[in-house]
Amino acid sequence: EAQVTQNPRYLITVTGKKLTVTCSQNMNHEYMSWYRQDPGLGLRQIYYSMNVEVTDKGDVPEGYKVSRKEKRNFPLILESPSPNQTSLYFCASSRTGFPAGTEAFFGQGTRLTVV
Amino acid sequence: DQQVKQNSPSLSVQEGRISILNCDYTNSMFDYFLWYKKYPAEGPTFLISISSIKDKNEDGRFTVFLNKSAKHLSLHIVPSQPGDSAVYFCAASVKYNFNKFYFGSGTKLNVKP
Repeated sequence: EAQVTQNPRYLITVTGKKLTVTCSQNMNHEYMSWYRQDPGLGLRQIYYSMNVEVTDKGDVPEGYKVSRKEKRNFPLILESPSPNQTSLYFCASSRTGFPAGTEAFFGQGTRLTVV
Repeated sequence: DQQVKQNSPSLSVQEGRISILNCDYTNSMFDYFLWYKKYPAEGPTFLISISSIKDKNEDGRFTVFLNKSAKHLSLHIVPSQPGDSAVYFCAASVKYNFNKFYFGSGTKLNVKP
Protein backbone atom coordinates (compact mmCIF):
# COMPACT_ATOMS: atom_id res chain seq x y z
CA GLU A 1 0.00 0.00 0.00
CA ALA A 2 1.35 3.41 -1.00
CA GLN A 3 1.80 5.52 2.08
CA VAL A 4 3.64 8.26 3.90
CA THR A 5 4.34 7.36 7.52
CA GLN A 6 5.06 9.90 10.21
CA ASN A 7 6.21 9.16 13.72
CA PRO A 8 5.26 9.92 16.36
CA ARG A 9 1.61 10.83 15.85
CA TYR A 10 1.48 12.74 19.11
CA LEU A 11 4.30 14.32 21.09
CA ILE A 12 4.44 16.54 24.14
CA THR A 13 7.85 17.95 24.93
CA VAL A 14 9.50 20.73 26.89
CA THR A 15 11.09 23.90 25.61
CA GLY A 16 14.64 23.40 24.41
CA LYS A 17 14.66 19.61 24.24
CA LYS A 18 15.77 18.53 20.78
CA LEU A 19 13.35 16.31 18.91
CA THR A 20 13.02 14.61 15.55
CA VAL A 21 9.83 13.77 13.69
CA THR A 22 10.41 11.04 11.15
CA CYS A 23 8.79 10.74 7.75
CA SER A 24 9.10 7.78 5.42
CA GLN A 25 7.49 7.03 2.06
CA ASN A 26 7.36 3.76 0.12
CA MET A 27 6.59 5.13 -3.35
CA ASN A 28 10.12 5.96 -4.49
CA HIS A 29 9.13 9.62 -4.74
CA GLU A 30 11.86 12.17 -5.31
CA TYR A 31 9.99 15.11 -3.81
CA MET A 32 9.20 15.40 -0.10
CA SER A 33 8.02 18.31 1.97
CA TRP A 34 7.05 19.34 5.50
CA TYR A 35 4.11 21.56 6.45
CA ARG A 36 2.63 22.89 9.64
CA GLN A 37 -1.06 23.56 10.09
CA ASP A 38 -2.25 26.24 12.47
CA PRO A 39 -5.79 27.55 13.05
CA GLY A 40 -6.67 30.36 10.67
CA LEU A 41 -3.38 29.99 8.79
CA GLY A 42 -3.88 26.77 6.90
CA LEU A 43 -0.88 24.76 5.79
CA ARG A 44 2.47 26.49 5.61
CA GLN A 45 5.46 24.89 3.95
CA ILE A 46 8.53 24.51 6.17
CA TYR A 47 11.10 22.75 3.97
CA TYR A 48 11.08 20.66 0.86
CA SER A 49 13.48 18.31 -0.86
CA MET A 50 13.78 17.59 -4.56
CA ASN A 51 15.96 14.54 -4.07
CA VAL A 52 18.67 13.04 -1.88
CA GLU A 53 20.91 15.77 -0.45
CA VAL A 54 18.81 18.51 -2.13
CA THR A 55 16.71 20.60 0.25
CA ASP A 56 15.35 24.13 0.24
CA LYS A 57 13.41 26.46 2.50
CA GLY A 58 9.69 26.83 2.32
CA ASP A 59 7.66 29.67 3.74
CA VAL A 60 8.40 29.19 7.46
CA PRO A 61 11.78 27.45 7.91
CA GLU A 62 12.95 29.27 11.06
CA GLY A 63 13.60 26.94 13.98
CA TYR A 64 13.60 23.78 11.86
CA LYS A 65 16.18 21.63 10.15
CA VAL A 66 15.81 18.79 7.69
CA SER A 67 18.03 16.22 6.07
CA ARG A 68 17.60 13.91 3.09
CA LYS A 69 20.24 11.21 3.26
CA GLU A 70 18.01 8.52 1.78
CA LYS A 71 15.30 8.84 -0.80
CA ARG A 72 12.57 7.36 1.39
CA ASN A 73 13.23 9.39 4.57
CA PHE A 74 12.88 13.08 5.31
CA PRO A 75 13.12 13.79 9.05
CA LEU A 76 12.17 17.14 10.57
CA ILE A 77 14.46 18.28 13.36
CA LEU A 78 13.68 20.85 16.02
CA GLU A 79 16.99 21.63 17.70
CA SER A 80 15.51 23.80 20.45
CA PRO A 81 11.71 23.65 20.35
CA SER A 82 9.72 26.62 21.57
CA PRO A 83 6.00 26.93 22.43
CA ASN A 84 5.30 28.75 19.14
CA GLN A 85 6.21 25.51 17.34
CA THR A 86 3.21 23.82 18.89
CA SER A 87 1.31 22.76 15.79
CA LEU A 88 0.07 19.94 13.60
CA TYR A 89 2.80 18.81 11.21
CA PHE A 90 2.37 17.02 7.91
CA CYS A 91 4.90 15.35 5.68
CA ALA A 92 4.13 14.88 1.97
CA SER A 93 5.76 13.21 -1.00
CA SER A 94 5.24 13.20 -4.75
CA ARG A 95 7.00 12.51 -8.02
CA THR A 96 9.16 15.28 -9.36
CA GLY A 97 8.43 16.95 -12.58
CA PHE A 98 5.76 19.38 -13.42
CA PRO A 99 3.92 20.01 -11.21
CA ALA A 100 5.32 18.46 -8.07
CA GLY A 101 2.29 18.90 -5.91
CA THR A 102 -0.32 17.32 -8.14
CA GLU A 103 -0.11 13.79 -6.88
CA ALA A 104 1.14 14.59 -3.41
CA PHE A 105 0.53 12.01 -0.72
CA PHE A 106 0.35 13.27 2.84
CA GLY A 107 1.09 11.51 6.09
CA GLN A 108 -1.50 11.39 8.86
CA GLY A 109 0.10 14.21 10.80
CA THR A 110 2.06 14.71 14.02
CA ARG A 111 0.46 16.73 16.78
CA LEU A 112 3.33 18.46 18.62
CA THR A 113 2.90 20.36 21.87
CA VAL A 114 5.84 22.28 23.33
CA VAL A 115 5.38 23.36 26.95
CA ASP B 1 0.61 38.29 4.86
CA GLN B 2 -1.12 35.30 3.33
CA GLN B 3 -0.87 35.17 -0.43
CA VAL B 4 -3.70 32.66 -0.75
CA LYS B 5 -6.93 33.45 1.06
CA GLN B 6 -10.05 31.49 1.73
CA ASN B 7 -12.36 34.01 3.31
CA SER B 8 -15.14 31.62 4.23
CA PRO B 9 -14.14 29.43 7.19
CA SER B 10 -17.23 27.29 6.75
CA LEU B 11 -20.00 26.43 4.32
CA SER B 12 -23.15 24.41 4.80
CA VAL B 13 -25.00 22.88 1.84
CA GLN B 14 -27.90 20.50 1.39
CA GLU B 15 -27.19 17.12 -0.14
CA GLY B 16 -27.71 17.16 -3.90
CA ARG B 17 -27.14 20.90 -4.25
CA ILE B 18 -24.06 22.66 -5.52
CA SER B 19 -21.17 23.55 -3.21
CA ILE B 20 -19.02 26.50 -4.24
CA LEU B 21 -15.77 27.07 -2.41
CA ASN B 22 -13.82 30.22 -3.14
CA CYS B 23 -10.17 31.17 -3.04
CA ASP B 24 -8.41 34.47 -3.74
CA TYR B 25 -4.73 35.08 -4.28
CA THR B 26 -2.51 38.13 -4.42
CA ASN B 27 0.66 36.94 -6.16
CA SER B 28 0.43 37.42 -9.93
CA MET B 29 3.33 34.99 -10.35
CA PHE B 30 1.21 32.04 -9.23
CA ASP B 31 0.98 29.68 -12.15
CA TYR B 32 -0.55 26.47 -10.84
CA PHE B 33 -3.41 25.93 -8.44
CA LEU B 34 -4.58 22.89 -6.54
CA TRP B 35 -7.39 21.87 -4.23
CA TYR B 36 -6.94 19.41 -1.39
CA LYS B 37 -9.53 17.79 0.83
CA LYS B 38 -8.88 16.93 4.44
CA TYR B 39 -10.89 14.71 6.78
CA PRO B 40 -10.34 14.89 10.55
CA ALA B 41 -7.32 12.95 11.81
CA GLU B 42 -6.07 12.38 8.25
CA GLY B 43 -3.61 14.11 5.98
CA PRO B 44 -4.85 16.20 3.04
CA THR B 45 -5.59 14.38 -0.20
CA PHE B 46 -5.24 15.86 -3.66
CA LEU B 47 -8.53 16.65 -5.36
CA ILE B 48 -8.07 18.65 -8.55
CA SER B 49 -5.69 21.15 -10.11
CA ILE B 50 -5.57 23.79 -12.81
CA SER B 51 -2.83 25.49 -14.76
CA SER B 52 -2.95 29.21 -15.39
CA ILE B 53 -3.23 28.57 -19.12
CA LYS B 54 -6.73 27.18 -18.52
CA ASP B 55 -9.82 28.69 -16.99
CA LYS B 56 -11.64 25.48 -16.19
CA ASN B 57 -10.83 21.90 -15.28
CA GLU B 58 -13.35 19.18 -14.62
CA ASP B 59 -13.09 15.83 -12.91
CA GLY B 60 -16.36 14.05 -12.30
CA ARG B 61 -18.41 16.02 -9.78
CA PHE B 62 -15.58 18.49 -9.20
CA THR B 63 -14.85 21.53 -11.37
CA VAL B 64 -12.30 24.22 -10.71
CA PHE B 65 -12.65 27.65 -12.32
CA LEU B 66 -9.82 30.15 -12.58
CA ASN B 67 -10.33 33.87 -13.17
CA LYS B 68 -6.82 35.27 -13.57
CA SER B 69 -7.86 38.88 -13.97
CA ALA B 70 -9.71 38.73 -10.64
CA LYS B 71 -7.06 36.48 -9.06
CA HIS B 72 -9.83 34.17 -8.00
CA LEU B 73 -10.51 30.48 -8.22
CA SER B 74 -13.44 28.42 -7.15
CA LEU B 75 -14.24 24.76 -6.65
CA HIS B 76 -17.70 23.54 -7.60
CA ILE B 77 -19.02 20.24 -6.32
CA VAL B 78 -22.15 19.00 -8.06
CA PRO B 79 -24.09 17.25 -6.69
CA SER B 80 -22.81 17.54 -3.13
CA GLN B 81 -22.79 14.39 -1.04
CA PRO B 82 -22.49 13.92 2.75
CA GLY B 83 -19.11 12.23 2.17
CA ASP B 84 -17.84 15.52 0.76
CA SER B 85 -17.99 17.02 4.26
CA ALA B 86 -14.38 17.95 4.96
CA VAL B 87 -12.00 20.88 5.06
CA TYR B 88 -10.95 22.09 1.63
CA PHE B 89 -7.67 23.87 1.06
CA CYS B 90 -6.64 25.69 -2.07
CA ALA B 91 -2.95 25.98 -2.84
CA ALA B 92 -0.77 27.73 -5.41
CA SER B 93 2.75 27.56 -6.72
CA VAL B 94 4.80 30.14 -8.56
CA LYS B 95 5.95 29.97 -12.15
CA TYR B 96 9.65 29.69 -11.35
CA ASN B 97 9.36 27.19 -8.51
CA PHE B 98 6.67 24.55 -8.70
CA ASN B 99 8.08 22.92 -5.58
CA LYS B 100 7.12 25.73 -3.23
CA PHE B 101 3.46 25.84 -2.25
CA TYR B 102 1.24 28.38 -0.56
CA PHE B 103 -1.99 27.22 1.04
CA GLY B 104 -5.14 28.99 2.07
CA SER B 105 -6.56 28.66 5.57
CA GLY B 106 -9.23 26.20 4.50
CA THR B 107 -13.02 26.08 4.27
CA LYS B 108 -14.97 23.53 6.25
CA LEU B 109 -17.77 22.12 4.11
CA ASN B 110 -20.75 20.47 5.76
CA VAL B 111 -23.12 18.65 3.45
CA LYS B 112 -26.40 17.96 5.21
CA PRO B 113 -28.38 14.81 4.34
